[in-house]
Amino acid sequence: QKEVEQDPGPLSVPEGAIVSLNCTYSNSAFQYFMWYRQYSRKGPELLMYTYSSGNKEDGRFTAQVDKSSKYISLFIRDSQPSDSATYLCAMSEDSSASKIIFGSGTRLSIRP
Amino acid sequence: EAQVTQNPRYLITVTGKKLTVTCSQNMNHEYMSWYRQDPGLGLRQIYYSMNVEVTDKGDVPEGYKVSRKEKRNFPLILESPSPNQTSLYFCASRDTFLAKSPQYFGPGTRLLVL
Repeated sequence: QKEVEQDPGPLSVPEGAIVSLNCTYSNSAFQYFMWYRQYSRKGPELLMYTYSSGNKEDGRFTAQVDKSSKYISLFIRDSQPSDSATYLCAMSEDSSASKIIFGSGTRLSIRP
Repeated sequence: EAQVTQNPRYLITVTGKKLTVTCSQNMNHEYMSWYRQDPGLGLRQIYYSMNVEVTDKGDVPEGYKVSRKEKRNFPLILESPSPNQTSLYFCASRDTFLAKSPQYFGPGTRLLVL
């Protein structure tokens, strides 16, 4: 079993829809949770970072962590075609994040 | 412009022929890391470095070597490449050790080992 599981998609939604992307994990020691966005033929870029359980909002993006269920989510409101990318969740046990475990990524397509 | 550069971007080689992929960052970052990305497996960490002369293994270090003699450079060395090392490789750097500090990724190096 992988430490981090992520539905690969592809997920296709119309412009303006609310998107929900999810990851589950098995390692209860994970405390630091990140979401990266990767456009085609580019390296990933950090979108959101959260520590422990709870919600964090940044513009149209909300990251949610439920440590009791070992489940994290990324919500995108008012989705735009420019949000079309692969989204990777990532996790680390410690604040130094020397080792980061990534999910396999969900490919998202926003239809105009 | 702040960036992480990798060279070459594309490489086709044969089994056993030693190769080096260079990585350089101009942001004075202490932390650097190498990943490989494979379909269905996501990004997997190969090696990382917390500072000059300090390197450590990630999840998939077998068949790879790294060195960190200068802060800005972190080359990835494949002493004897094999076909299972065919992959997309990313170098990344980060300002601090902290997880909340964003990692900046290079553009990737696509390697094919025949």
